[in-house]
This record gives sequence, structure tokens and C-alpha cells, in this order.
Amino acid sequence: EVQLVESGGGLVQPGRSLRLSCEVSGFNFDDYGMHWVRQAPGKGLDWVAGISWNSGSIGYADSVKGRFTISRDNAKKSLYLQMNSLRVEDTALYYCAKGHYSGSSDHFDFWGQGIVVTVSS
Amino acid sequence: EIVMTQSPATLSVSPGERATLSCRASQSLSSNLAWYQQKPGQAPRLLIYGASTRATDIPARFSGIGSGTEFTLTISSLQSEDFAVYYCQQYNKWPLTFGPGTKVAIK
Repeated sequence: EVQLVESGGGLVQPGRSLRLSCEVSGFNFDDYGMHWVRQAPGKGLDWVAGISWNSGSIGYADSVKGRFTISRDNAKKSLYLQMNSLRVEDTALYYCAKGHYSGSSDHFDFWGQGIVVTVSS
Repeated sequence: EIVMTQSPATLSVSPGERATLSCRASQSLSSNLAWYQQKPGQAPRLLIYGASTRATDIPARFSGIGSGTEFTLTISSLQSEDFAVYYCQQYNKWPLTFGPGTKVAIK
């Protein structure tokens, strides 16, 4: 069974940093691209960042470029999102999502349950 | 950035009826379009990818069609568990983008 479990969320002040993690099981992690997708309260889905199987291809939404960094550790079967200079508008439920292919431009066939990030003073 | 639009915003349908949801892209996607279903308090679930390929374990009442800039998701006979929000997503070009969603509500 495919499982993706996010951690690291919480309440943080504007301008501060937070690091999200996603541990996976049930599939060959290093064969697939991985992504972060977020959903602000009561809003739609918003792709944040994606990374290919070997970290050779990485992409970001314009809204987070220069502030967020996606990375992965294939040995640990884990995906990360380093979020710096956080803004109130980054408040959302953050999902870890598995790509269907090995690249980073893809759709998402499995999702975690999400982790809440709240940016507020 | 490719802008995705969906219509209608809300669709009121009776159980057993057909639902037709539309998705339009601001530029051609070829067939790089996926559909997701999201129920309250749950993560999204992949329904369709490649515009028309059903994902694993998705019932045959869900079907997708389209290419280029115009796409359609059809639910042939709505079941009670199908009332949810449906999103389309393009993966033809970065940044990946979603439509705003269509809520399928009980009439």
C-alpha cells in the first residue's frame, strides 16, 4: 500500500522558516518525481514545487520561487520543502504528492493527508 | 503561466443523472490534462490522466475527453459518493496549474 506521511507543519510568524518532510512507503521512491501541492482554507489546489526522480529537474510556482526549496533523499525515501521568508498568504494545508512518472512535469497519482502550515503574528 | 478555467462553478444534479464538467486551458496542452475528485476533509484523488485514461480503480462511469484547450469530464450516472469538488490540472508546462474547481451538488 502506498503511503505518504507529511510532518513539520505548525504555527510560525511571518518572515520565519519551516521545513516540511514527507516519508513514503509502498513504492520505489527513487523511480518517481515528487511534488508539494497546497490548499488555502476554503480554496482550490495550488501546485508549489516538483522534483524529478534524481533531483535533476526542479520547478517552482512563481509565488514561492526564491523562498522555498524542494529536495529529496532517496536513501531515506523522503521529500522535503524548506520554506523561508514565510508570508501570511502561505497559510495552507500542504500535501505531498507522488508523480505518475519519473520527471517533474506531471500529474499526481497518490497524495498524503496533508499538514497544516499557519503563518500569523 | 497556463491559466485553467472550469465551468460551471457549481452543478446541481440528481442521483442517477449525467454530469458534464468542462475545463479550458489558455494554451494548448496536447493531452497533458488530469482530473481529480476531492471530498470534504480528504485529499484529492486522481480520476483521469492523459485527458481520457482512467486511473487505477476508478469506475467506468467516469470518462474524460478532449485535447488542445478543451476538455470534458463526464459522470454517466451520479452515485451518492460522487458529490464532491472536481479539479482539472495541466502538466504540459511549468508551472503546473489547476482549475478553480467545479462543485457537484445534490439537486
